[in-house]
Amino acid sequence: QKEVEQNSGPLSVPEGAIASLNCTYSDRGSQSFFWYRQYSGKSPELIMFIYSNGDKEDGRFTAQLNKASQYVSLLIRDSQPSDSATYLCAVNTGGYNKLIFGAGTRLAVHP
Amino acid sequence: NAGVMQNPRHLVRRRGQEARLRCSPMKGHSHVYWYRQLPEEGLKFMVYLQKENIIDESGMPKERFSAEFPKEGPSILRIQQVVRGDSAAYFCASNPGDTGELFFGEGSRLTVL
Repeated sequence: QKEVEQNSGPLSVPEGAIASLNCTYSDRGSQSFFWYRQYSGKSPELIMFIYSNGDKEDGRFTAQLNKASQYVSLLIRDSQPSDSATYLCAVNTGGYNKLIFGAGTRLAVHP
Repeated sequence: NAGVMQNPRHLVRRRGQEARLRCSPMKGHSHVYWYRQLPEEGLKFMVYLQKENIIDESGMPKERFSAEFPKEGPSILRIQQVVRGDSAAYFCASNPGDTGELFFGEGSRLTVL
């Protein structure tokens, strides 16, 4: 399996700040990239996906992809305590929809 | 629309017993993926199945683990002769085949005593 790396955290940010979550991947052939959020004891839920270089915005979330640097990030604007969770970066490297996940970054948003 | 359904949600087994975990994909989805998550770790791919076919089992341990997705009924992940190291959350995900995102079930949490 190809490697997907994330800083395990915890990343602690104050309420209202921007949280920046980063992910690097090793397979240059990777085609699509996903961010999932997982609350403790719950299942992963999809936040965003991105296929092309650049930024993709959805509400308070922005995904950024730089294939040359093999780097994908997630920005969360106006962070809320309810955003406190583990954020999983996932990469699709194959011809079918098999996702390789990073270990996740734990985000803590404090009031 | 029902999501991905997994059962049991919690399963306790003693060492040496068998564990069977079931997964019904979302309606219209014919692709099933199984992942294992150990405490404080990420999701590790185990196996990818379509109806009656195992497409990729590169993440499955060589012994004691098997998976199937029959023509009728749910996908089954079977663990024989469980050991304490098998204690984990096992997540099933499904996909319709034409998009990249996976939709996850609530998971089955296996505890081996």
